Amino acid sequence: AQTVTQSQPEMSVQEAETVTLSCTYDTSENNYYLFWYKQPPSRQMILVIRQEAYKQQNATENRFSVNFQKAAKSFSLKISDSQLGDTAMYFCAFGRGNTPLVFGKGTRLSVIA
Amino acid sequence: DAGVTQSPTHLIKTRGQQVTLRCSPKSGHDTVSWYQQALGQGPQFIFQYYEEEERQRGNFPDRFSGHQFPNYSSELNVNALLLGDSALYLCASSPAGVTYEQYFGPGTRLTVT
Repeated sequence: AQTVTQSQPEMSVQEAETVTLSCTYDTSENNYYLFWYKQPPSRQMILVIRQEAYKQQNATENRFSVNFQKAAKSFSLKISDSQLGDTAMYFCAFGRGNTPLVFGKGTRLSVIA
Repeated sequence: DAGVTQSPTHLIKTRGQQVTLRCSPKSGHDTVSWYQQALGQGPQFIFQYYEEEERQRGNFPDRFSGHQFPNYSSELNVNALLLGDSALYLCASSPAGVTYEQYFGPGTRLTVT
């Protein structure tokens, strides 16, 4: 069974600064997908970024980018130019084929003005 | 294009009662997954419905049951409620064959007293 670990329960960053959230996972599969979801206080789970394991190039979406290290089973999220609206819970998730997503416990990010 | 919708938004029930939560998937999606998110935790997979049948199930007791209708909407039923069932219940829909691509609804907050 796959497991996802987020070792940082809480983090904070100054507005306009850069922050990196960590995620490690365990799987014996070779083809899979990794995700970062954002859950603001409104509770809606929003997809931030997705990485296909077969792609060596790290995914980027505007101010959000990942550092995917397949051999190390590491998948970190970098948020550049942090904004107050980035304040939320961030969940790392593993997905493969038709199997359900497996989530980590989350990291609470606070952006400070 | 309406996203995933869930009803009700909030619900308060007493131990031993039964509850039904509802979900309408995003347009064009035919697969619905349900997750339970306890306070301060990541979502845990309950079950997934496709073509009106339960296709996969997580580690939840039989008190948790579901249904999918011909229009792809879904219900989650919980019988004999326990205090530990208090959580945010999330519904996610996916397009056919792309189950890892999940779009989440805003959730239903269930409180059992």
